[in-house]
Amino acid sequence: EAQVTQNPRYLITVTGKKLTVTCSQNMNHEYMSWYRQDPGLGLRQIYYSMNVEVTDKGDVPEGYKVSRKEKRNFPLILESPSPNQTSLYFCASSFRVDRGRGTEAFFGQGTRLTVV
Amino acid sequence: KQEVTQIPAALSVPEGENLVLNCSFTDSAIYNLQWFRQDPGKGLTSLLLIQSSQREQTSGRLNASLDKSSGRSTLYIAASQPGDSATYLCAVRGSGSNYKLTFGKGTLLTVNP
Repeated sequence: EAQVTQNPRYLITVTGKKLTVTCSQNMNHEYMSWYRQDPGLGLRQIYYSMNVEVTDKGDVPEGYKVSRKEKRNFPLILESPSPNQTSLYFCASSFRVDRGRGTEAFFGQGTRLTVV
Repeated sequence: KQEVTQIPAALSVPEGENLVLNCSFTDSAIYNLQWFRQDPGKGLTSLLLIQSSQREQTSGRLNASLDKSSGRSTLYIAASQPGDSATYLCAVRGSGSNYKLTFGKGTLLTVNP
């Protein structure tokens, strides 16, 4: 089954304790991205990756890091989480638009993060 | 900067009614537009994808249209059911180097039995 898998689904942590949210897709997609969803603000892009070892900032990258060492994985790293990073996080993947293939975006089930 | 607006923000209808959700976007240079459904606290489920060259797409009771030149899309739901209750999100994929999806804030639909 084609899917994007995020882990963990729920996470409560304390300020300053480094954490990683994993994301994996099994569709051989080149393009992967992270979004956060906040009430009243909607979904905003944090980081994206066009391919292995190619990453760049989205609209709200402050306080986050990513890496893309393998095509299927795109972890989101919070090195020193703060309460304003409490949010619902989504990973998404698709084929690249310039590859001339379908670009339907697939989303993971989300990770609800609470930083206290 | 692309901006996506969804109207109405919330909609409550009786079961069996046909309804239309609206989405507008400011920059017509898009690759595609995608409609999603989101249940409370859950992930996004893709409903329909319309490529920029297409005018509409249909899946079951759902029909989505796209008028790229005017920056508008509509999602038509026929014979609504209580199980259709959810938030519906519209997203456009831009043509910039980022290819990012820009989302509207959604329409919260409630279908009453």
